[in-house]
Amino acid sequence: ELKVEQNPLFLSMQEGKNYTIYCNYSTTSDRLYWYRQDPGKSLESLFVLLSNGAVKQEGRLMASLDTKARLSTLHITAAVHDLSATYFCASETSGSRLTFGEGTQLTVNP
Amino acid sequence: DVKVTQSSRYLVKRTGEKVFLECVQDMDHENMFWYRQDPGLGLRLIYFSYDVKMKEKGDIPEGYSVSREKKERFSLILESASTNQTSMYLCASSINSYSSYEQYFGPGTRLTVT
Repeated sequence: ELKVEQNPLFLSMQEGKNYTIYCNYSTTSDRLYWYRQDPGKSLESLFVLLSNGAVKQEGRLMASLDTKARLSTLHITAAVHDLSATYFCASETSGSRLTFGEGTQLTVNP
Repeated sequence: DVKVTQSSRYLVKRTGEKVFLECVQDMDHENMFWYRQDPGLGLRLIYFSYDVKMKEKGDIPEGYSVSREKKERFSLILESASTNQTSMYLCASSINSYSSYEQYFGPGTRLTVT
């Protein structure tokens, strides 16, 4: 069964702290996608990781991909309240389909 | 910028009604998708389409059908709405390119069936 699992599912952190969200997937895809969803809103694309060893950074977020370990990480540096959202990773399955993880609900407290 | 629009942000329907959810994308994308999102269950794929008049079942197609008569438009149909179809429905599209299957999402339709 194709699975994409995120850890943790809920994350409450203080402003200024660092943390990492993990995404394990069981597909053989070399590509991985990260999305952000604000409450009541739709999904917004954050990062597209297209090969083993890929690393992308945008502001306080950095995503990386290890296809051998079938693991992607989303690292948060010096969190701020504006980063509070739900973060999803997604792996390609067959054709153009994506399978999404359960989502990690991040709350950054002042 | 890619734009994916959905016909309604909020919809309230009665049990047994036929419901149409419309999705339109303006970037000439070949692939279009319908998901539903429920708390604790993440995003689940209902149906998708690779081309006009083509459709493929996703993971939870029961109780739904789709129509794609034009490339830019993908409709989700609930033939006889039931209360367990109360959910957030998300439409997405992507280009059929081997380089990336990044999906672009619409704003979502929150459907309540009473």
